[in-house]
Amino acid sequence: NAGVTQTPKFRVLKTGQSMTLLCAQDMNHEYMYWYRQDPGMGLRLIHYSVGEGTTAKGEVPDGYNVSRLKKQNFLLGLESAAPSQTSVYFCASSYSGTPIIGAFFGQGTRLTVV
Amino acid sequence: DAKTTQPNSMESNEEEPVHLPCNHSTISGTDYIHWYRQLPSQGPEYVIHGLTSNVNNRMASLAIAEDRKSSTLILHRATLRDAAVYYCATSNRDDKIIFGKGTRLHILP
Repeated sequence: NAGVTQTPKFRVLKTGQSMTLLCAQDMNHEYMYWYRQDPGMGLRLIHYSVGEGTTAKGEVPDGYNVSRLKKQNFLLGLESAAPSQTSVYFCASSYSGTPIIGAFFGQGTRLTVV
Repeated sequence: DAKTTQPNSMESNEEEPVHLPCNHSTISGTDYIHWYRQLPSQGPEYVIHGLTSNVNNRMASLAIAEDRKSSTLILHRATLRDAAVYYCATSNRDDKIIFGKGTRLHILP
């Protein structure tokens, strides 16, 4: 079992460039999440999905778009990267239901926008 | 969404118990309390969760105040491998897990 796999692990972008971060999970989880982690800010929820074909905004959604075309994949897009989007991005997945417990996280993607 | 507040950092001696506090004064009656930890260069991992009653598992214990405005993660016997950032989080009916800023735990040998 690979669990939650994030691609790529590192990336450097120039301001204004676009890119897509891929998250794949092999646990048949319904729920998937994208977080960003910045020094002193903890983990902040960007967008999340409660099932295939659904997405919802989190705490800091501006500048990002997401898609969940397949249950196992959750894509995070940056249409026009800005230096403020320099961060470590984590994807997570979990079973459905209340409460949402035991979310599994990927190893992270370190993104630098210059 | 219930916000959580944690101390930035804490120290503890090896082989002693550690009590990590979390304040969640705006928590609603249906919000769950979660704890995750993040080892260096890794993604966060689930530790424990609870609603109203205290909880125990193989990793830790969770003590929840009677008014639910605060909780404490208890590591019964700290080891050097427990040095990590510990996050207190809440989840609600919106199916979001909202994390705090975390406490960096240092273990002294």
